[in-house]
Amino acid sequence: KAGVTQTPRYLIKTRGQQVTLSCSPISGHRSVSWYQQTPGQGLQFLFEYFSETQRNKGNFPGRFSGRQFSNSRSEMNVSTLELGDSALYLCASSLEPETEAFFGQGTRLTVV
Amino acid sequence: QKEVEQDPGPLSVPEGAIVSLNCTYSNSAFQYFMWYRQYSRKGPELLMYTYSSGNKEDGRFTAQVDKSSKYISLFIRDSQPSDSATYLCAMSVPRAGSYQLTFGKGTKLSVIP
Repeated sequence: KAGVTQTPRYLIKTRGQQVTLSCSPISGHRSVSWYQQTPGQGLQFLFEYFSETQRNKGNFPGRFSGRQFSNSRSEMNVSTLELGDSALYLCASSLEPETEAFFGQGTRLTVV
Repeated sequence: QKEVEQDPGPLSVPEGAIVSLNCTYSNSAFQYFMWYRQYSRKGPELLMYTYSSGNKEDGRFTAQVDKSSKYISLFIRDSQPSDSATYLCAMSVPRAGSYQLTFGKGTKLSVIP
């Protein structure tokens, strides 16, 4: 069974640009969550989607947004990139929101 | 006070030692408890998932939850160099009709051959 797939694995962007990251969950999983991981802050929750609806949102500015499609695939978008947005962005999927969450390998975003 | 506290280490042990990793939490609403292992430049890998207080064993790993003390532990028996990684505790709380995971900062473990 394929795991959670995130694309691309690495990205380098310039300040002010925008970026879209993609996540394909494990087949049959309906819940997708996004996290930002930095050395200083650890794993921080961005948002969670279940059946195409955003259920929860973390404490991030409105520049961070996401969506989920009918096939459960999810995208997150960051607009007007800042240097501080450099991080590993992780996607996790689960069958239901309360069940085990499985992570992808992440997208490492570097903003220069 | 942070919701989840985890000693960042680093923790260095000889091969074959028993490793004890711990997290404390302040929110009594946390319902589900997980331990993840994360190798450098990789995504977190789920090791253990538990709901109730008590112990859960899986091979060399034992997860322990004490809800009365708001304390969870992960024990690794017969530790191997391949166990060298960062270990993250995570807890799930009902929120806005769904569940949200909160993570500890992670403990970096090195197992020395």
